[in-house]
Amino acid sequence: SQTIHQWPATLVQPVGSPLSLECTVEGTSNPNLYWYRQAAGRGLQLLFYSVGIGQISSEVPQNLSASRPQDRQFILSSKKLLLSDSGFYLCAWNGRNTEAFFGQGTRLTVV
Amino acid sequence: GDSVTQMEGPVTLSEEAFLTINCTYTATGYPSLFWYVQYPGEGLQLLLKATKADDKGSNKGFEATYRKETTSFHLEKGSVQVSDSAVYFCALTAGGTSYGKLTFGQGTILTVHP
Repeated sequence: SQTIHQWPATLVQPVGSPLSLECTVEGTSNPNLYWYRQAAGRGLQLLFYSVGIGQISSEVPQNLSASRPQDRQFILSSKKLLLSDSGFYLCAWNGRNTEAFFGQGTRLTVV
Repeated sequence: GDSVTQMEGPVTLSEEAFLTINCTYTATGYPSLFWYVQYPGEGLQLLLKATKADDKGSNKGFEATYRKETTSFHLEKGSVQVSDSAVYFCALTAGGTSYGKLTFGQGTILTVHP
């Protein structure tokens, strides 16, 4: 069966520090991969999605970037975190004509 | 662009009460509609879905009907349990290979007391 792993679960980082969140999917090949963010008091917003290795689409302009170095690995990064980057980050995947499956999420607090 | 408007929360109910969480949407074409649930400390799980008008999605006693004429997908359950306490998200997508590109509502926090 397919599983999705996302880590770390919680993270506290100072302003200006770098960020790297990792997501991996097991049990499937060539999944579509997604990064979502939920800011405090707001709904989930799609940040990036990828339909293949090295293919990244950005949905909103921001201080973050994404990369897909391997078929089932999706990384969310920042060179210098801002206070406004705080939030709950969720990785998700879907196969052809299937619904999306989500990871457990990462709670990021920038201080 | 597409949007989802969801009932403001939080919602607090007693066990065995009837639940309705309203959800309306704006979208071009014919979106697929979803309800996701997030239990405390966990990621999102798909609760139910409907892919065309008049479809009814159901799971774990929850139901929602895709109403194209009112652009709505309200979530209902006849008798809630304490274990239903969670955050509920209404969402839509264009479907097909875009099933992961979801537009979410704000989320509704549900708390059920014994």
